[in-house]
Amino acid sequence: DIQMTQSPSSLSASVGDRVTITCQASQDPNNYLNWYQQKPGKAPELLIYDASHLETGVPSRFSGSGSGTDFTFTISSLQPEDIATYYCQQYGNLPFTFGPGTKVNIK
Amino acid sequence: EVQLLESGGGLVHPGGSQRLSCAASGFTFSTFAMSWVRQAPGKGLEWVSGISNSGGNTYYADSVKGRFTISRDNSRNTLYLQMISLRAEDTALYYCAKDQMFSVGLHRNWGQGTLLIVSS
Repeated sequence: DIQMTQSPSSLSASVGDRVTITCQASQDPNNYLNWYQQKPGKAPELLIYDASHLETGVPSRFSGSGSGTDFTFTISSLQPEDIATYYCQQYGNLPFTFGPGTKVNIK
Repeated sequence: EVQLLESGGGLVHPGGSQRLSCAASGFTFSTFAMSWVRQAPGKGLEWVSGISNSGGNTYYADSVKGRFTISRDNSRNTLYLQMISLRAEDTALYYCAKDQMFSVGLHRNWGQGTLLIVSS
């Protein structure tokens, strides 16, 4: 199984700050790497698919990059509504696996 | 608008069985793969199972293989998860997810979940 790690596990930043989350896979998922946002009490939502593709309707302040086993998720200017937990997920190899999540708070 | 409505959760004794359902609308159900993803209370996300658009291919996490069976009825636009030999560690909110056309893994739309509690 491909193991996914994320860092940091949590962070606090100010409104307008640039926020970066990293995700590392134990094996190359061939860029089949997604990022989801889960707000408290809500279902997850897909933000980025295939490492760098912005899902339709998602604000452009969200972006993803990376290849191989190392991936990055960025919020270019943190907004109050971005308070959530963010998960990376690989679907290049079965079983599909999620990272442990990164909780983002406002400072 | 895509809508996914899960049902069938509840309180089940260890060793018991339960069937979850997911009623889909707002898209051509028979052309999309589907998945179940669960989240234990206060924990992260765990992919459980996926099924191809036709139902001919099914996939499972190791933790549920042999105990859970995913299926679909394309005439009823409904996804199912039959669970047997339930354990306390199966307690979770179970989400139904719409994947891509013809392939599993990219969860584009999610339902609101149905809560399964396995406890004596």
